[in-house]
Amino acid sequence: ETGVTQSPTHLIKTRGQQVTLRCSSQSGHNTVSWYQQALGQGPQFIFQYYREEENGRGNFPPRFSGLQFPNYSSELNVNALELDDSALYLCASSPSGQMNTEAFFGQGTRLTVV
Amino acid sequence: AQSVSQHNHHVILSEAASLELGCNYSYGGTVNLFWYVQYPGQHLQLLLKYFSGDPLVKGIKGFEAEFIKSKFSFNLRKPSVQWSDTAEYFCAVNAPGGGADGLTFGKGTHLIIQP
Repeated sequence: ETGVTQSPTHLIKTRGQQVTLRCSSQSGHNTVSWYQQALGQGPQFIFQYYREEENGRGNFPPRFSGLQFPNYSSELNVNALELDDSALYLCASSPSGQMNTEAFFGQGTRLTVV
Repeated sequence: AQSVSQHNHHVILSEAASLELGCNYSYGGTVNLFWYVQYPGQHLQLLLKYFSGDPLVKGIKGFEAEFIKSKFSFNLRKPSVQWSDTAEYFCAVNAPGGGADGLTFGKGTHLIIQP
């Protein structure tokens, strides 16, 4: 078990709706990254937060946004949901803003858009 | 942009067989390399990592990987697999200093070990 927890574990939303996913990072970790894992694919990097600021972003549109709070927990928000947003969303935390350290992953939130 | 290729999408082996999973990446500079495993119903776990130094790295559960810079490869090996090794295996890369770019993962290899 890692110390990274995500909620909810499963979620069903309708196309066009908005969704918020939550992540609590492992104790002592100030960096949180979010990934999207479509069925049969590897995780794809969405963005990273370091000390409450977004400091890196993958190839995802602006309707994917996030927040990091002073306790380093994080939220992923997706607006105007599309069917292709159906995926497992993974949160990972690490102890620094650099990736020369291990990232610890949560179990993910399975989002289904209908 | 970095990319990672895993050559085998599905591998089926018998217990005690030897395993080698291929991984190639496309990035000309210094990289950090990782192998992650995802057991059924569980979170992604780190098997092993390479940052620098000895190109042969040993990880958990008897796994090892060899970094061959000239071939842009980081293949995963295990001399004798067990039924409990059934899982999805992901190779990932990150460029130092580009930590904010996150990890780039391959598509994964689904490994099934038959008793």
